[in-house]
Amino acid sequence: EIVMTQSPATLSVSPGERATLSCRASQSVSSNLAWYQQKPGQAPRLLIYGASTRATGIPARFSGSGSGTEFTLTISSLQSEDFAVYYCQQYNNWPRLTFGGGTKVEIK
Amino acid sequence: QVQLVQSGAEVKKPGASVKVSCKASGYTFTSYGISWVRQAPGQGLEWMGWISAYNGNTNYAQKLQGRVTMTTDTSTSTAYMELRSLRSDDTAVYYCARVLVVGVADYWGQGTLVTVSS
Repeated sequence: EIVMTQSPATLSVSPGERATLSCRASQSVSSNLAWYQQKPGQAPRLLIYGASTRATGIPARFSGSGSGTEFTLTISSLQSEDFAVYYCQQYNNWPRLTFGGGTKVEIK
Repeated sequence: QVQLVQSGAEVKKPGASVKVSCKASGYTFTSYGISWVRQAPGQGLEWMGWISAYNGNTNYAQKLQGRVTMTTDTSTSTAYMELRSLRSDDTAVYYCARVLVVGVADYWGQGTLVTVSS
């Protein structure tokens, strides 16, 4: 099983600042990496797939990068609605899909 | 617009089975697969499996093999997930999601809380 490790577990950021979230795979997943956002009591929302392709309707302040084993989600200027938990997920090892443990982005 | 509407919360005893439904609308049901993902209280996301709404092919997470069955009814655009021999650690919110490309879920249902308790 490919293990996905996200860091940090919690990120404290002020509104308007930049947030950088990391995701590391235990082996190469090529560019088969997605990012999801989840707010309390809500279902996850797809942000990024293919490591860097924004899903439909996702604002340009969200960007993804990386390939192989190291990936980054960047939120260029945090808005109040961006405080949430973010998960990465690899889909290279189909059908053995795995998620990271999540990074909580909280207000500083 | 694409919508996935799931059935309501369930309370089950250990050893029982549960069947969760997921009714899709706003797109051609047979053109996409459906994944099921669960989330235990306060925990992260766990992928359970996938079903092709086109031909019914399935893939299940290894740890659930033998206890889970995913099906679809194309006449009603509804997907189902049945989990048998329930244990307390199956207590979770269960989500269905439309699969955009293999492994990537672009639209999600609202979630169904399944509580397993004696």
